[in-house]
Amino acid sequence: DQQVKQNSPSLSVQEGRISILNCDYTNSMFDYFLWYKKYPAEGPTFLISISSIKDKNEDGRFTVFLNKSAKHLSLHIVPSQPGDSAVYFCAASARFNSGGSNYKLTFGKGTLLTVNP
Amino acid sequence: DSGVTQTPKHLITATGQRVTLRCSPRSGDLSVYWYQQSLDQGLQFLIQYYNGEERAKGNILERFSAQQFPDLHSELNLSSLELGDSALYFCASSVAPNRGATDTQYFGPGTRLTVL
Repeated sequence: DQQVKQNSPSLSVQEGRISILNCDYTNSMFDYFLWYKKYPAEGPTFLISISSIKDKNEDGRFTVFLNKSAKHLSLHIVPSQPGDSAVYFCAASARFNSGGSNYKLTFGKGTLLTVNP
Repeated sequence: DSGVTQTPKHLITATGQRVTLRCSPRSGDLSVYWYQQSLDQGLQFLIQYYNGEERAKGNILERFSAQQFPDLHSELNLSSLELGDSALYFCASSVAPNRGATDTQYFGPGTRLTVL
């Protein structure tokens, strides 16, 4: 049962244009969402996050939008640069056990973004 | 460079064997997490340790075990290896025990395990 889904395995965008990466989730207990970026031969790197009480968070060229009613979030990169080419993972956080104090990250399968010069 | 180190980078072994993967967290981080990324899969949470104690268990097989030592480095032991255990194994660390959802995890470069 995949609770976090990234339905597009890959996305190709021209340099300077907007990249939009999408993520859907099914677990309504998720209360925090994160995007990680991963280059080949490296581990994932935290990029940006958003709390479930917000609908938008912006950090430079990166903006994450959250639509709780649709259980959907998206990452916008504007303008896209060739150095943004990487695999982007969507992740969601929820309490590991009901009433517990520990949180667990659930990751999607990732979307390979290619930004063409 | 995240500050998290993992050794070895690559490991090739045979079915039925046992291997140990090692992780050193960022300086000051007390929590260590282990993840498995199989082909075409997202990162699957395996287990978490905080300051030497097991904190949370995810989809970790009984053939797998882990521990965190007093110097806070961690080892993931995989035994009776099967072909399906071939994957990338990532270690991550964070400062706190992940009580807050905002506790950022920093990932190491991973160990690629190939079981032949």
